[in-house]
Amino acid sequence: GAVVSQHPSRVICKSGTSVKIECRSLDFQATTMFWYRQFPKQSLMLMATSNEGSKATYEQGVEKDKFLINHASLTLSTLTVTSAHPEDSSFYICSALQGNEKLFFGSGTQLSVL
Amino acid sequence: TQLLEQSPQFLSIQEGENLTVYCNSSSVFSSLQWYRQEPGEGPVLLVTVVTGGEVKKLKRLTFQFGDARKDSSLHITAAQPGDTGLYLCAGRSETNAGKSTFGDGTTLTVKP
Repeated sequence: GAVVSQHPSRVICKSGTSVKIECRSLDFQATTMFWYRQFPKQSLMLMATSNEGSKATYEQGVEKDKFLINHASLTLSTLTVTSAHPEDSSFYICSALQGNEKLFFGSGTQLSVL
Repeated sequence: TQLLEQSPQFLSIQEGENLTVYCNSSSVFSSLQWYRQEPGEGPVLLVTVVTGGEVKKLKRLTFQFGDARKDSSLHITAAQPGDTGLYLCAGRSETNAGKSTFGDGTTLTVKP
């Protein structure tokens, strides 16, 4: 299957700092990527849809100024958690859409804010 | 808003037993995917079903898409401890702006 690389896999940061997470589609071009948040033993919660060359579409309740998304190329989307606080600690996952049907996921980023 | 109800939410069985996970919706999906996720990892695509009534087999796993493309099931035969994980179904629809609708997930534990 297609490969989506997500980096870093784990990050620990101090409260108030910003953290950038990268999501790359390694062997296909992805016009659309998605960012999710996941709590233990729960399903994925969609945060936003990242569209190459245009502004991201955020789900209701997700602060766009808090979670900055940039999709500058067909193979890279980034999520920046700005001024992170302990309540932002979570498992963040990206996915990339191949064609119109197949969705491939990154390996996730465990964010811990102290 | 499209909803995909997945059941059961938790399942703990002994090695060698069979099990079935269900995903049901009142909405029609153009395709449905099943994923398996291990702790600390991203979901891994197991299968995509597209045609109503379609049945796909992946070793001991059998996936079925309902005739009306509103529901799907995953059946595991002779479960093994290596099958332990979180199973997610996700439906895609052309009317949902390209977004997938995820089920709530089924946490499967297979005891040796």
